[in-house]
Amino acid sequence: DTGVSQNPRHKITKRGQNVTFRCDPISEHNRLYWYRQTLGQGPEFLTYFQNEAQLEKSRLLSDRFSAERPKGSFSTLEIQRTEQGDSAMYLCASSLLATWGIDTQYFGPGTRLTVL
Amino acid sequence: SQQGEEDPQALSIQEGENATMNCSYKTSINNLQWYRQNSGRGLVHLILIRSNEREKHSGRLRVTLDTSKKSSSLLITASRAADTASYFCASSGGLGETSGSRLTFGEGTQLTVNP
Repeated sequence: DTGVSQNPRHKITKRGQNVTFRCDPISEHNRLYWYRQTLGQGPEFLTYFQNEAQLEKSRLLSDRFSAERPKGSFSTLEIQRTEQGDSAMYLCASSLLATWGIDTQYFGPGTRLTVL
Repeated sequence: SQQGEEDPQALSIQEGENATMNCSYKTSINNLQWYRQNSGRGLVHLILIRSNEREKHSGRLRVTLDTSKKSSSLLITASRAADTASYFCASSGGLGETSGSRLTFGEGTQLTVNP
């Protein structure tokens, strides 16, 4: 399978614990995005990387959230001191920025986080 | 908060009928994309329309874009039960490399196609 993969698919944790999610993009894609989706809503942008550089972060991304893409390939999203409001589906997408500036984002299956 | 709004929020039709979903956005865009999401799954890219295009077709899908009204529509013709899913529009500003291509999603339309 050459699509975007995310692990784990499901995570249940207790409030106050730290969690880390991983995203493996399509291999030649240089851009990687993180979104969060709550039930009944559309996804909301969190952050994105071009290669290993984190170029933009949403105001939704509080200090408890950190994302990395150390070698410009896979990425991790860590949430520290989880809160019940963090319960959501976390989606990763990757794209290949074309010279004409339009990149189609391909999404992974998501990681569903439940904070008890 | 979401910039996009979709209409209707839910749509139920019979197999074989056409389904039309509308989307509005608030800022200028570089392109607009439509995605499909089956329950609890990731999003599947359906079609992209650039800001200088007015209509685009892909198989049973037809997308229109009216930048003067900041709106788009997705038409699915000859619907099938397998088309049952949530459909989202997503706009992208794409004003330059440093601004990225973050997608701003609408709240989605839940389409149910009854066999």
